Amino acid sequence: GDSVTQMEGPVTLSEEAFLTINCTYTATGYPSLFWYVQYPGEGLQLLLKATKADDKGSNKGFEATYRKETTSFHLEKGSVQVSDSAVYFCAQRAGGGADGLTFGKGTHLIIQP
Amino acid sequence: GAVVSQHPSRVICKSGTSVKIECRSLDFQATTMFWYRQFPKQSLMLMATSNEGSKATYEQGVEKDKFLINHASLTLSTLTVTSAHPEDSSFYICSAISAPQGGTEAFFGQGTRLTVV
Repeated sequence: GDSVTQMEGPVTLSEEAFLTINCTYTATGYPSLFWYVQYPGEGLQLLLKATKADDKGSNKGFEATYRKETTSFHLEKGSVQVSDSAVYFCAQRAGGGADGLTFGKGTHLIIQP
Repeated sequence: GAVVSQHPSRVICKSGTSVKIECRSLDFQATTMFWYRQFPKQSLMLMATSNEGSKATYEQGVEKDKFLINHASLTLSTLTVTSAHPEDSSFYICSAISAPQGGTEAFFGQGTRLTVV
């Protein structure tokens, strides 16, 4: 079945460091791909998305490119801030918009000043 | 963005009792709502999909008689955990979309931590 695998956490970085959180997926078709972020005490928020191969999603300095050939959607940011500390979830959605999401386990990111 | 409110955020109940969790879309009409469950250090697992005015569609392995879902209006869906047992202790999260169209963003509630003692 469809699945999402993302790197285990916690990931601890210093402020202004470069961030990469790996995410790969398995799917029978051509899913849409998402990154969600969950700040402490809050619900999941959509960070960025890509709906077809080679699309790049970007938001708040974060980027991820839909790589069909490697079935990956790695999240990157050039210079992280303390306020980026949160749990990040990679997810896919097969088919149309009425389907539920398949999530990775989440990666806890800790940014130290 | 749109707001989805989930209540309660935490609940502790005795084994054998039932617990109801509410999920409300505050500023949009949710044609479809989803219920997820998350175990510690695990993924969010989709439990069921509900469309307003119709029966919920449950994922394989989810007991529909144990996890009752009601989507009575375009702004409210409820999940009732019936005859709860300690193994039902988990984090339950709802999400909602405004239309069953491709690319529609899903908005999430804050989640409910259920502890069955």
